[in-house]
Amino acid sequence: AQTVTQSQPEMSVQEAETVTLSCTYDTSESDYYLFWYKQPPSRQMILVIRQEAYKQQNATENRFSVNFQKAAKSFSLKISDSQLGDAAMYFCAYRRSGNQFYFGTGTSLTVIP
Amino acid sequence: ETGVTQSPTHLIKTRGQQVTLRCSSQSGHNTVSWYQQALGQGPQFIFQYYREEENGRGNFPPRFSGLQFPNYSSELNVNALELDDSALYLCASSQPGLAPQSEQFFGPGTRLTVL
Repeated sequence: AQTVTQSQPEMSVQEAETVTLSCTYDTSESDYYLFWYKQPPSRQMILVIRQEAYKQQNATENRFSVNFQKAAKSFSLKISDSQLGDAAMYFCAYRRSGNQFYFGTGTSLTVIP
Repeated sequence: ETGVTQSPTHLIKTRGQQVTLRCSSQSGHNTVSWYQQALGQGPQFIFQYYREEENGRGNFPPRFSGLQFPNYSSELNVNALELDDSALYLCASSQPGLAPQSEQFFGPGTRLTVL
């Protein structure tokens, strides 16, 4: 079974600073995809960044980047130059070569002005 | 381009009743997935529809059922509602095909309360 663990229920960061959200997952598969989604208080889930497991290079999207450690089954999200609009719930998600997404329990990020 | 829409926004039902939730996928998307998100939890996969056929199911009982229509919109039906069914129900659509790297676009959700 695939499981996704986010061990930080809550995190806070000072505006303009950097924060890292942790995610680990458990799988026996070698081909899969990992995602970070953001869910603001308005509830609509938005994709932040994705990573293909077969790619060695860590994905980057503007201020968002990941540290993907396949052997350790770790997939952390780094947010640089944090902005007030980054405050939200962040979910790590795993998708295998089939069609099911598995989500973690989320990390609530607060950005302090 | 219209995003994923869901109706209704909120719904209150009593135990034992039946409910139907609706989802309109984003234009051009033929795959729809449904998720249940309990308070303080991450979304749990219910099932997915691809070209009107169920294409994968999570660990949910048969009283959770669905449909997808020729225009790729979808319904989630829940029979014999239980208190634990209270949750946010999210619909997500994705681009043509089942490429695992395809992004899922989520709707705003339907908040179901079972009393």
